[in-house]
Amino acid sequence: EVKLVESGGGFVQPGGSLRLSCAASGFTFSGYWMTWVRQAPGKGLEWVANIKYDGSEKYYVDSVKGRFTISRDNAENSLYLQVDNLRAEDTAVYSCARGRDIDFWGQGTLVSVSS
Amino acid sequence: SYELTQPSSVSVSPGQTARITCTGDVVAKKFTRWFQQKPGQAPIVLIYRDSERPSGIPDRFSGSSSGTTVTLTISEAQVEDEADYYCYSAAENNIWVFGGGTKLTVL
Repeated sequence: EVKLVESGGGFVQPGGSLRLSCAASGFTFSGYWMTWVRQAPGKGLEWVANIKYDGSEKYYVDSVKGRFTISRDNAENSLYLQVDNLRAEDTAVYSCARGRDIDFWGQGTLVSVSS
Repeated sequence: SYELTQPSSVSVSPGQTARITCTGDVVAKKFTRWFQQKPGQAPIVLIYRDSERPSGIPDRFSGSSSGTTVTLTISEAQVEDEADYYCYSAAENNIWVFGGGTKLTVL
């Protein structure tokens, strides 16, 4: 059974940082691109970033470039998103998803940015 | 442009056909997929490669593409189909994009 379980979210002040994690199981993690998606409260889905199966290519939405860093550890079957210099508009549920075209999602972890 | 435009809401009566459009330059060049998201749940794939349906998805869900518009069609819509629907496609430069989402009401 494919599973993606996110963790690491929380409440943080503007300018703060968090490291989000996604534990993958039930598939060959090292064979897939992986994606982070976010959804602000009451809003639509927003593609955030993705990373190639070997970590050699990474792409970001313009609004997070220079502040967020996607990475992975294939030995640990884990995906990460380091989120720095957080802004109020980054408040959202962050979900990891399998593939660039996305065929499976996790339930997400909430990041809330407020003073 | 990297934008995908969807109607914010569509409303139909049970048994009617609902059509949700997704428009943007990118859909003319790249495959699009559709997701269904119910409250509090992770999205699921309804349609991939514009018109392909994963196993387990009822055949009342179908997809089509013409030029810069892709369309999700829900035939004989049921109350359980009430959800938010999103299109998704690759844009330029390895960036991907979601449509703004459409809230389907069946009543």
